[in-house]
Amino acid sequence: GENVEQHPSTLSVQEGDSAVIKCTYSDSASNYFPWYKQELGKRPQLIIDIRSNVGEKKDQRIAVTLNKTAKHFSLHITETQPEDSAVYFCAASRWDSNYQLIWGAGTKLIIKP
Amino acid sequence: EAQVTQNPRYLITVTGKKLTVTCSQNMNHEYMSWYRQDPGLGLRQIYYSMNVEVTDKGDVPEGYKVSRKEKRNFPLILESPSPNQTSLYFCASSSGDGLAGVSSPYEQYFGPGTRLTVT
Repeated sequence: GENVEQHPSTLSVQEGDSAVIKCTYSDSASNYFPWYKQELGKRPQLIIDIRSNVGEKKDQRIAVTLNKTAKHFSLHITETQPEDSAVYFCAASRWDSNYQLIWGAGTKLIIKP
Repeated sequence: EAQVTQNPRYLITVTGKKLTVTCSQNMNHEYMSWYRQDPGLGLRQIYYSMNVEVTDKGDVPEGYKVSRKEKRNFPLILESPSPNQTSLYFCASSSGDGLAGVSSPYEQYFGPGTRLTVT
């Protein structure tokens, strides 16, 4: 079955710098890759997702890149701000079975003032 | 307001005392799921349901039961809770609608979470 590994487990960056979180997956049939953000004490919320027919997707300061050959995808946050501090989860699934998202263990992002 | 609700939000119970955590969504979503979240382990799926009367096991189903008698409700049942089921539980729903041109059709909407402690 699918396995998703996420690195690093904790990432500390200076406010204004960029942050990159990486995930690798094992099932080459996976074709849907969402990223969720979970602020302290709150529920996870989708921030961006990408399908395997696209190599990159951007939404303001957030971008996701996908390398199908290497089976890894990354979340990029530019010009980080204090409100970006949270735990970020990547996940993978097959588009026709989205209910079976396989999740990474999460990355705690700390933005230093 | 479109939302997923869970009750109770916090629960402290004792080993062996049956409990039910309710989950309800008002978005007419077909897909619903239960997760547990433990430090360092991320989100692990317990059970999911693709529609009324259709449920299936996730990664960690042992010790849990679910039912889907109505589209909007998906309760999680712990028949005989044990301390290793102490965790933060999330219910989620999704439309699962793959219509072309709809961005993020498979977005999962999470409930607020239920913090369960079993002593």
